[in-house]
Amino acid sequence: QKEVEQDPGPLSVPEGAIVSLNCTYSNSAFQYFMWYRQYSRKGPELLMYTYSSGNKEDGRFTAQVDKSSKYISLFIRDSQPSDSATYLCAMSVRVSGGYQKVTFGIGTKLQVIP
Amino acid sequence: GAGVSQSPSNKVTEKGKDVELRCDPISGHTALYWYRQSLGQGLEFLIYFQGNSAPDKSGLPSDRFSAERTGGSVSTLTIQRTQQEDSAVYLCASSLELAGTLDTQYFGPGTRLTVL
Repeated sequence: QKEVEQDPGPLSVPEGAIVSLNCTYSNSAFQYFMWYRQYSRKGPELLMYTYSSGNKEDGRFTAQVDKSSKYISLFIRDSQPSDSATYLCAMSVRVSGGYQKVTFGIGTKLQVIP
Repeated sequence: GAGVSQSPSNKVTEKGKDVELRCDPISGHTALYWYRQSLGQGLEFLIYFQGNSAPDKSGLPSDRFSAERTGGSVSTLTIQRTQQEDSAVYLCASSLELAGTLDTQYFGPGTRLTVL
């Protein structure tokens, strides 16, 4: 079993829909919970992150972390065709080498249809 | 400012040949990471550099894979005697190694390696 599980999709939604992306994880030591967005043939870029449990909102995007259930979510409101990309969840823990080691989900491919 | 750059963007090689992939991190970033991204596997960690040393090489899949970093800047990932299963996108990232907050990793565009 992988440390981070994510449905690869693909997920296809009409423009304006609310999108829900989710990941589960098994390592209770994870501290930071991130969402990266990756456009085709590009590297991932950090979209938003939360520390520990709770919600964080940034414009049309909301990230939620439930550490008791080991479950994280990303909601996209009023989805746009420009949101079409692969969304990777990621989680980090500080390891013995002193750095924040990041474990990524497989990524969910999202397509927003105009 | 300039982001992380990688070269070449695409590399096609024959099975058994050696390849070198290059990463130029963001200036001033002390940490550098290599990942491999393949279909069905997601982003797999390969190696972490702190300056020129590599305290975590735990993700290198075999002794055919090696990496070095010089001058606290440029890094090269070398794959010897390439195999078809090495075909993937190799991504490099760098970070400032911040403490007490998220140490954001900034990714390059990747090198797409195809082994025939």
